[in-house]
Formats: sequence, structure tokens, C-alpha cells
Amino acid sequence: IAGITQAPTSQILAAGRRMTLRCTQDMRHNAMYWYRQDLGLGLRLIHYSNTAGTTGKGEVPDGYSVSRANTDDFPLTLASAVPSQTSVYFCASSVGGWSDTQYFGPGTRLTVL
Amino acid sequence: GENVEQHPSTLSVQEGDSAVIKCTYSDSASNYFPWYKQELGKRPQLIIDIRSNVGEKKDQRIAVTLNKTAKHFSLHITETQPEDSAVYFCADLRGNEKLTFGTGTRLTIIP
Repeated sequence: IAGITQAPTSQILAAGRRMTLRCTQDMRHNAMYWYRQDLGLGLRLIHYSNTAGTTGKGEVPDGYSVSRANTDDFPLTLASAVPSQTSVYFCASSVGGWSDTQYFGPGTRLTVL
Repeated sequence: GENVEQHPSTLSVQEGDSAVIKCTYSDSASNYFPWYKQELGKRPQLIIDIRSNVGEKKDQRIAVTLNKTAKHFSLHITETQPEDSAVYFCADLRGNEKLTFGTGTRLTIIP
């Protein structure tokens, strides 16, 4: 059992390029989340999905989009990357609602030049 | 909404001593308060949580206390060990809205 995985581990990207960060979980969790982690700012929610087929905006959604076609996968897309999107991105999942334990993936370190 | 405030941002304690990290929230509707630990280069992991109908919860060397009147909750680590060195994040859940994280506390245990 892998739990929750993310790909790639790290990426250097030219500004203006499109990039999709992948997240897959095999725990059959209903809810999935994307956070970005920046020094001094903690974990900030980008987008979330309470169940397959639904998504919602978090605290910092601008410049990012998500889809949830099935239970297992929750990709995050940067349509046109900008340097301010340089960050560590964590995907997480939980069984159900917001008060359930969130299990985080290993993270993706993204650098936009 | 307002973020949960977390203090201090950095904390150094001698091995064997206790460490306390405090978080303050603003919304009286907040009802769930987890604490996550993130070791260097690793992913955050839940270590303890508390709900608004409970004042204190313990799990071996760690405990969380909640003061609903003052709107703050604290993480207590006793008999600290080198493996307690990490960044700790508090979070709060307002009603059924999104979980909001604090900005983190870097705890260093001095051998």
C-alpha cells in the first residue's frame, strides 16, 4: 500500500510554461487537498475536493486549477507558471470531512524561473 | 477569515525540559484543533487533536489544552527528546469551513 504519492519530486520550470502536479492515493479517501508551503507562511490551502466530481477554492486559488475525475487522483495544474508560484506543494487526503486526519504526500518542490 | 496566530515562531529548549507552543483563534464557532509535526524534509503528520467539547487531551509526552473563553489552545511536550526537533503547526476548523493552519513553530531540542 503506497498511501498517498506525488509526482514529480521536484521540478524547475520556465515562467509561462504549463505544469501539472500529480497526486494519487490508494486509501479510498473521499476528500483531497492541495497546499503550498512557503517559509514563514505555513501551509496554505489552494484547492480541495470533498468527493469525486466536486472541487472548491481554498485560500490561494489564483493561477491554479484542479480536477477530480475519480476518487484516487487529484492533479493540480498551473496554466502559466509565474515565479511567485515557487514553493513546496503538498497533496493530502482524508476519509471524509475537515475534522478527519489529513494524510500528506511527500511533496513536490517547484521552482519557477 | 483571519488566520490562526501561532507563537513562538522558533523555540529552543534543553533536552529533558518542557516545550509549550500556543495558538490563538478568532472565531467562537471553531470546533476542531489539530497539531501537525513536520520533521526536516518530511511531510506533515498529525500528532494530536482536540475538539471543542474537551478541555485537555494527552498522549504520552504530548498534550493539548483548549481555553474556549480566551480562544487559545496550546501544545505541551514534556521530557523533550532530540526526535522532538521539528516544525509544529496548529490549525483550527471554523464550523464546517476549511481547516486553517498557523505559520509554524520551529522547535529545536538542545542535547
